[in-house]
Amino acid sequence: LAKTTQPISMDSYEGQEVNITCSHNNIATNDYITWYQQFPSQGPRFIIQGYKTKVTNEVASLFIPADRKSSTLSLPRVSLSDTAVYYCLVGRYNQGGKLIFGQGTELSVKP
Amino acid sequence: GAVVSQHPSWVICKSGTSVKIECRSLDFQATTMFWYRQFPKQSLMLMATSNEGSKATYEQGVEKDKFLINHASLTLSTLTVTSAHPEDSSFYICSAGQGGNTEAFFGQGTRLTVV
Repeated sequence: LAKTTQPISMDSYEGQEVNITCSHNNIATNDYITWYQQFPSQGPRFIIQGYKTKVTNEVASLFIPADRKSSTLSLPRVSLSDTAVYYCLVGRYNQGGKLIFGQGTELSVKP
Repeated sequence: GAVVSQHPSWVICKSGTSVKIECRSLDFQATTMFWYRQFPKQSLMLMATSNEGSKATYEQGVEKDKFLINHASLTLSTLTVTSAHPEDSSFYICSAGQGGNTEAFFGQGTRLTVV
């Protein structure tokens, strides 16, 4: 499973767009990129997954350049409730696991 | 999405006793479930893969005799922390996938405090 590198923490204000970039230089051809969100004392929650270019859902967008060595999670107009830790994972996941989590990015949204 | 439920949400036990944590897939069958441990301000660490009807596969450094895993049915995996010590206090989380879906569904976690 490819190793990932993310900023340890980020600060933002309500209503702003937040972009969290993840580096994964050793991503394999068949690997997908998946982002999870975790609130304190809760299990992680799936946000978005992609393989290349751009993926968008009701929560976020995921931008993946052509070389796939990095990816950017974009959260539009964040609110206080988006304060959480965001994890970027890379790999081929069958049956939902097994997942190797990196350090994640602790996002703090301020009023 | 699919639902994975853990029980209990929190537990306090005395040092030397054993504690059992349940992980259930409520609306799907899971032949494989995963157990993670998370210490404060740290990331999730995979402990073991729970396989229905067979022995669990433990990650390097995880004591299989201390963390007993049983996956007796397609909807239930249990993690028993045996002879618990204060250093076992942590947040334990399970996950499962739904068939070939690559998305993992996590339980809400169990906060274990050993006193």
